[in-house]
Amino acid sequence: KAGVTQTPRYLIKTRGQQVTLSCSPISGHRSVSWYQQTPGQGLQFLFEYFSETQRNKGNFPGRFSGRQFSNSRSEMNVSTLELGDSALYLCASSLGGALSYNEQFFGPGTRLTVL
Amino acid sequence: AQSVTQLGSHVSVSEGALVLLRCNYSSSVPPYLFWYVQYPNQGLQLLLKYTSAATLVKGINGFEAEFKKSETSFHLTKPSAHMSDAAEYFCAVPIGGATNKLIFGTGTLLAVQP
Repeated sequence: KAGVTQTPRYLIKTRGQQVTLSCSPISGHRSVSWYQQTPGQGLQFLFEYFSETQRNKGNFPGRFSGRQFSNSRSEMNVSTLELGDSALYLCASSLGGALSYNEQFFGPGTRLTVL
Repeated sequence: AQSVTQLGSHVSVSEGALVLLRCNYSSSVPPYLFWYVQYPNQGLQLLLKYTSAATLVKGINGFEAEFKKSETSFHLTKPSAHMSDAAEYFCAVPIGGATNKLIFGTGTLLAVQP
């Protein structure tokens, strides 16, 4: 099976712009989660989507949003970019379902640099 | 709030030596705990899923995990380090019921000396 893919791998934006990142989960996986990784804050949970519905959300401002499509692919959007949004954004997929604690498999990430 | 702590942000071992990484969780022993490895400029790779019902769990690349009750600490071990094990290791605990929200430790950077 193909792994989790994320596009693009690298992005450079300027403050005030918006950006959309894409994630394609492993075939058959219905849950997609997003994480932000920075040297200062480490790995932080952004949100999770399951069956096109946001199931959980982390402590990030409303500028961070996401969605999931019927084929389980997911996008996350960051509006009005700030310098502090520079990070590695990781997407993880899992089977999902009513039971949690399924293994999550991560993509290679999108490296976002805000200038 | 729950937190995950990894003891030692940097660990250095010699090639062939034992690797021991530690992870503590602030609340009661979680039913599951995950260990991930991250190589430079890559995403996270799942090493293993530890379940509290198990004594010892074997993962990929020769790694094993167990819970040390005396220390209330989760241990990730490998009997003999290889140069290719040099990477950053994270433990993570799922929280929040029927979701996949993980809280991660701050990571331990493992260096392997020849």
